[in-house]
Amino acid sequence: KAGVTQTPRYLIKTRGQQVTLSCSPISGHRSVSWYQQTPGQGLQFLFEYFSETQRNKGNFPGRFSGRQFSNSRSEMNVSTLELGDSALYLCASSPGPLGYEQYFGPGTRLTVT
Amino acid sequence: EDQVTQSPEALRLQEGESSSLNCSYTVSGLRGLFWYRQDPGKGPEFLFTLYSAGEEKEKERLKATLTKKESFLHITAPKPEDSATYLCAVLQATDSWGKLQFGAGTQVVVTP
Repeated sequence: KAGVTQTPRYLIKTRGQQVTLSCSPISGHRSVSWYQQTPGQGLQFLFEYFSETQRNKGNFPGRFSGRQFSNSRSEMNVSTLELGDSALYLCASSPGPLGYEQYFGPGTRLTVT
Repeated sequence: EDQVTQSPEALRLQEGESSSLNCSYTVSGLRGLFWYRQDPGKGPEFLFTLYSAGEEKEKERLKATLTKKESFLHITAPKPEDSATYLCAVLQATDSWGKLQFGAGTQVVVTP
């Protein structure tokens, strides 16, 4: 079975721009979660989608949004980028909603200049 | 305030030198506790899920245990390939469904 894939792997953006990251879960998995990982804050939960519905949301501003499509693929969007948004963004898929074991992708490294 | 604290921050072991990592939590309504390992430049890799106090799970040289306030990850006779950052995460029951919170991790280095 193919693992979780994320595109792009690396991205450089300028402050004020917006960015869209993509995640393709493991086939058959219906839950996709997004995380932000930084050296200072560690791994922080952004949100989780299950069957196209956002089930859970972490403590991030509204500039961070996401969606899930009927094929379980998910996208995450960050608008009005700030320098502090520079991070590794990880996507994880799970066969069930939050609480099941999660399988992480390799991440997208976002640098905001 | 809900917290997940991992200790120590870093651990250096000789090959074969067993040790334990700690994950303590102060959340209410625990729905599950997860252990992951993360290698540099990669996403976390799932290891274990524990749901109730007293539960234990084992995988090769790793054993995870859970009490009402903390979890331990025991590494028995570690090998250099066990070098990684080990993360614990707590799933807390909320009104909607759940809230997942990760600890900062313990960086383990095993030397030959």
